[in-house]
Amino acid sequence: ELKVEQNPLFLSMQEGKNYTIYCNYSTTSDRLYWYRQDPGKSLESLFVLLSNGAVKQEGRLMASLDTKARLSTLHITAAVHDLSATYFCAVDPFMNYGGATNKLIFGTGTLLAVQP
Amino acid sequence: NAGVTQTPKFRVLKTGQSMTLLCAQDMNHEYMYWYRQDPGMGLRLIHYSVGEGTTAKGEVPDGYNVSRLKKQNFLLGLESAAPSQTSVYFCASSPALPITDTQYFGPGTRLTVL
Repeated sequence: ELKVEQNPLFLSMQEGKNYTIYCNYSTTSDRLYWYRQDPGKSLESLFVLLSNGAVKQEGRLMASLDTKARLSTLHITAAVHDLSATYFCAVDPFMNYGGATNKLIFGTGTLLAVQP
Repeated sequence: NAGVTQTPKFRVLKTGQSMTLLCAQDMNHEYMYWYRQDPGMGLRLIHYSVGEGTTAKGEVPDGYNVSRLKKQNFLLGLESAAPSQTSVYFCASSPALPITDTQYFGPGTRLTVL
């Protein structure tokens, strides 16, 4: 069974602190996506990671992908209250004969609460 | 450019009733998807389509049917709603393979089945 596990599931941070969200997956893939969801809202794309060693940064968020370890990280630098949201990673698993399927498997999400 | 839109935004059904959720996209994307989101479970793929006139099953297809008669529209049907189908439903679209772009999500439909 394909699994995508995020940890922690809930993260309470103080403003100004750094922290990392981890996304482990159980299948072969070199395509991983990070999304943000605000309460009651839709999903907003943050990062698309398409190869081993890919690193992308946007503002206080930086995402990386290690396909050998089947691990992606989302690092938060100097958190601010506006970053409070639920963050999802999603993996596009390879089919048996190779190639992406475009059928994303989502993690359960990490609820981030940044306290003043 | 509206992106991905969904109709309706909210709906309450009684057990056994039927309904259709409409998804429309104006980005000329080949692929479209229907997901459901339940508390603590992330998003799960119900059905998807890789082009006009084609549909395929995702992770949790039971109790749902879909149709893609036009490239820009993807319909999700519940023939006989059950309380277990209470959820938030999201539609998404994306360009065709190879994937170098993300999936674009609609605003969601909150469905309650009593």
